[in-house]
Amino acid sequence: TQLLEQSPQFLSIQEGENLTVYCNSSSVFSSLQWYRQEPGEGPVLLVTVVTGGEVKKLKRLTFQFGDARKDSSLHITAAQPGDTGLYLCAGTPYTGGFKTIFGAGTRLFVKA
Amino acid sequence: EAGVAQSPRYKIIEKRQSVAFWCNPISGHATLYWYQQILGQGPKLLIQFQNNGVVDDSQLPKDRFSAERLKGVDSTLKIQPAKLEDSAVYLCASSPGARAHQETQYFGPGTRLLVL
Repeated sequence: TQLLEQSPQFLSIQEGENLTVYCNSSSVFSSLQWYRQEPGEGPVLLVTVVTGGEVKKLKRLTFQFGDARKDSSLHITAAQPGDTGLYLCAGTPYTGGFKTIFGAGTRLFVKA
Repeated sequence: EAGVAQSPRYKIIEKRQSVAFWCNPISGHATLYWYQQILGQGPKLLIQFQNNGVVDDSQLPKDRFSAERLKGVDSTLKIQPAKLEDSAVYLCASSPGARAHQETQYFGPGTRLLVL
């Protein structure tokens, strides 16, 4: 079974704190994506990582793809209430054809 | 550029009834996806179309779910008959071309289905 496990499932922090969420699998992925989903809306792509060891930065968000292409992390610096949402990782495993699979997500709540 | 449109936004039905959802992808996008997102879970791919052909429907419960994409543009997803466990958000997404696994998927707002 090709699963993407995300941790933590839920995170509630104060504005200004830093946080890291994780996405792990026993399978190798050709690429991993991170999405953010707000209530009542569809997921919106934040970043795609393709190369093992790759690090991408998007303002206060830093994404890393593991060297073995089995895991990824998202680090948020100085979180703001606008960062509140469901963070989903998704990927296409090498052995899964073209099917994208999603993790269950990390629900982040940033208190002002 | 208009995004992915879905209708209806909300639907409440009783079990054993039928329901249909409609999706209009971004103009020119070749690939269209239907996902099911149960509360507390990530989206699960039900079916993926490349133009009007099916690429993957391995997780579509074919005894009750059907989908079509006539003329490679709009798509409909139907459930007949509905069960309680079908209560979920049904998301439609589209992506531009053939290399779907490396392309950005653009999601619609979803249809929230409640089966009573």
